[in-house]
Amino acid sequence: LAKTTQPISMDSYEGQEVNITCSHNNIATNDYITWYQQFPSQGPRFIIQGYKTKVTNEVASLFIPADRKSSTLSLPRVSLSDTAVYYCLVEGFQKLVFGTGTRLLVSP
Amino acid sequence: KAGVTQTPRYLIKTRGQQVTLSCSPISGHRSVSWYQQTPGQGLQFLFEYFSETQRNKGNFPGRFSGRQFSNSRSEMNVSTLELGDSALYLCASSPPATGQVNTEAFFGQGTRLTVV
Repeated sequence: LAKTTQPISMDSYEGQEVNITCSHNNIATNDYITWYQQFPSQGPRFIIQGYKTKVTNEVASLFIPADRKSSTLSLPRVSLSDTAVYYCLVEGFQKLVFGTGTRLLVSP
Repeated sequence: KAGVTQTPRYLIKTRGQQVTLSCSPISGHRSVSWYQQTPGQGLQFLFEYFSETQRNKGNFPGRFSGRQFSNSRSEMNVSTLELGDSALYLCASSPPATGQVNTEAFFGQGTRLTVV
């Protein structure tokens, strides 16, 4: 069974850049990587998705190295409202594996 | 546009009973997937339905089943409930995919099931 691991928790301060890494050693050729954010008592919310190299949208960047065995979600200039749990997801044919989740705490 | 709606929000059942959870996807979304979230196991994929057909299935016992109706609404059923089935059950819908790019999933708020 594919293992997708993340750090359990991270701490940061407002205005800093936060990088959360996900390890997915068993990623297959056609698998995509997606990141979700989840607040308490809510369902996960889509942040960004990528296949390789770098993807950027209005809220985050996603870096995927050439071997694709890991990916890094980058949140620029975090605010208190970014305090949440972040999940990576490896999705492909007949496969959908969430990471273990990283609890990000942003302090003033 | 209304989001994904799950009912009920909270449910308490007794061991051995069965339960049915409901999910109404975003209008126009034909793919509905279900997930179980627990503190110990995290987020786990249950199954996905598309156009009333199960398209993908996770690694859960046969006690967990689902179906999708012609209007894309979906239900999941858990029979012979066990204490370990206590969890937040999340439903997500996805818009039609374009090209080779996977589409994002829009999640509901979930149904919190407690088995006593």
